[in-house]
Amino acid sequence: ETGVTQTPRHLVMGMTNKKSLKCEQHLGHNAMYWYKQSAKKPLELMFVYNFKEQTENNSVPSRFSPECPNSSHLFLHLHTLQPEDSALYLCASSQDSQRVSYNEQFFGPGTRLTVL
Amino acid sequence: AQSVSQHNHHVILSEAASLELGCNYSYGGTVNLFWYVQYPGQHLQLLLKYFSGDPLVKGIKGFEAEFIKSKFSFNLRKPSVQWSDTAEYFCAVRSGGYNKLIFGAGTRLAVHP
Repeated sequence: ETGVTQTPRHLVMGMTNKKSLKCEQHLGHNAMYWYKQSAKKPLELMFVYNFKEQTENNSVPSRFSPECPNSSHLFLHLHTLQPEDSALYLCASSQDSQRVSYNEQFFGPGTRLTVL
Repeated sequence: AQSVSQHNHHVILSEAASLELGCNYSYGGTVNLFWYVQYPGQHLQLLLKYFSGDPLVKGIKGFEAEFIKSKFSFNLRKPSVQWSDTAEYFCAVRSGGYNKLIFGAGTRLAVHP
């Protein structure tokens, strides 16, 4: 256990559905991240939040909508997804994403998303 | 654009064999380098990291990696693998922007007893 939990662990949805992924960290961190992990491709950073403010949006399509109500919770709202969006979505947290000195990212177990 | 290249997508070894996984990155400035491991059904976890100093870095579970600046490489090694090392291994680079990591595509290692 890393102190970062994600729910649900598995999700199957149709292209017209609306669903949300949830991430929660119990580490007292201030930065949270969403990554997409597709087979045989590098992990792709999607969004970064630092102290609840979005600091990075890595050209992610608008059908993915993040929300960070507080430093411990991060959501990824999904709507009208495509089959190619099927992947493992990983959440991570760290102390602060804006420090010049690196602070380790701790990852959750991921949500396996399948879009039919 | 910065990128990380992992040479092998899939490696199969027998127990006690030696392991070397390749990692090359493209960035000319100061970098921090990482290896992460993802065991089946588990979360990504940090195996080792290089920031500065001795280019030979020792990590957990007997793994080590060597930073060779002239070759832009950070290969992961283990002298004798075990069945429990079966996992996917990711190389990552942090350069310039704060906490942003650039990951490679991963190498899936299968160790047979």
